[in-house]
Amino acid sequence: AQRVTQPEKLLSVFKGAPVELKCNYSYSGSPELFWYVQYSRQRLQLLLRHISRESIKGFTADLNKGETSFHLKKPFAQEEDSAMYYCALSGRPGGTSYGKLTFGQGTILTVHP
Amino acid sequence: DTEVTQTPKHLVMGMTNKKSLKCEQHMGHRAMYWYKQKAKKPPELMFVYSYEKLSINESVPSRFSPECPNSSLLNLHLHALQPEDSALYLCASSQPRGKSSPLHFGNGTRLTVT
Repeated sequence: AQRVTQPEKLLSVFKGAPVELKCNYSYSGSPELFWYVQYSRQRLQLLLRHISRESIKGFTADLNKGETSFHLKKPFAQEEDSAMYYCALSGRPGGTSYGKLTFGQGTILTVHP
Repeated sequence: DTEVTQTPKHLVMGMTNKKSLKCEQHMGHRAMYWYKQKAKKPPELMFVYSYEKLSINESVPSRFSPECPNSSLLNLHLHALQPEDSALYLCASSQPRGKSSPLHFGNGTRLTVT
């Protein structure tokens, strides 16, 4: 079974402070991990995927297979980062569970001025 | 065109009505999905179509009936729904198995069952 855990429902930081949104997963195999973001009144959109190893809007996430974690980090939070963030997991391409995206419960990030 | 378009944006229906939700994409994706999202909850997978064939049905009640008439379109037919079916219904598309591709989501249809 595949499972994603985001332990923090709510996270509040001040502008300019570092932020880390935690994500742990459970999967028997090699998964693909994603972070999706949902800004107020906007569609759910992809923020990061672990295989790209890129930085989007200043956010990075590193897959730690030993700790089965994929935490999302940004060194200096901005007010426009306030949104709902979902960590998600899918099986690898070619596998039976590829495309079956399992989401964590989400973390609402609020960045105060 | 890099968008997934869903219509209608809002839908109110009675428990005896029959209605359909529509989803369209022109990105050449051959996998399409229906997700259900309740307020402040993550999306839950309902159905997956791969190459226009139903590949995953997450034990969804038969009052929800998906249809994929061609590679660009995905419908969700609704009949005899219950008030607890009120939710945001999201359509998504991606490349199918064998090709790594994230899901692209539509804006959703907000459904209210009265």
